[in-house]
Amino acid sequence: SQQGEEDPQALSIQEGENATMNCSYKTSINNLQWYRQNSGRGLVHLILIRSNEREKHSGRLRVTLDTSKKSSSLLITASRAADTASYFCATGQGGSEKLVFGKGTKLTVNP
Amino acid sequence: GAGVSQSPSNKVTEKGKDVELRCDPISGHTALYWYRQSLGQGLEFLIYFQGNSAPDKSGLPSDRFSAERTGGSVSTLTIQRTQQEDSAVYLCASSLEAGNYGYTFGSGTRLTVV
Repeated sequence: SQQGEEDPQALSIQEGENATMNCSYKTSINNLQWYRQNSGRGLVHLILIRSNEREKHSGRLRVTLDTSKKSSSLLITASRAADTASYFCATGQGGSEKLVFGKGTKLTVNP
Repeated sequence: GAGVSQSPSNKVTEKGKDVELRCDPISGHTALYWYRQSLGQGLEFLIYFQGNSAPDKSGLPSDRFSAERTGGSVSTLTIQRTQQEDSAVYLCASSLEAGNYGYTFGSGTRLTVV
């Protein structure tokens, strides 16, 4: 069953703009992770935020987590054409070590 | 190795045949996961191995699917009597420690059942 639901399903922006993607989930979590997928093959881990953290940064990426609203957001600043990909959130649920993935947001960055 | 290696990268098989998909995780990673992804969809969990513990098979869609992990390293996912709905990309991932680290994914095996 799907746990994380990303919003929007698709996003198209111009190079240099910021991109914001949101993720909502339903049950308690240990951590929430964001992944990027290019060309429908392997996923690349971007960032992990634990349930007791509220914000985390990695380069041009900023992730926030609001456990009271069961939601997270991924912000990509100063986007580049190379950021074009699908982005997935995944949650590690309480008591389980496996990640449950959402259906992803397809981001297109136009040059 | 440096990354998670999956083979074959592509497999076309006839309906009713058996297939074996292989995953070679990163050395030292104790957790190994299999997911599948249908076109344009999210990832569907199949099975998870952690060290010497009994695997979590709760995601296997039918008894035609099975997986094993030998010596805590290489894993094989077997699909018996393949059906057209089995067509998907099968992704393997490994993690240093389940629940505390991100996954490293392989490039996947694209399975097409004709």
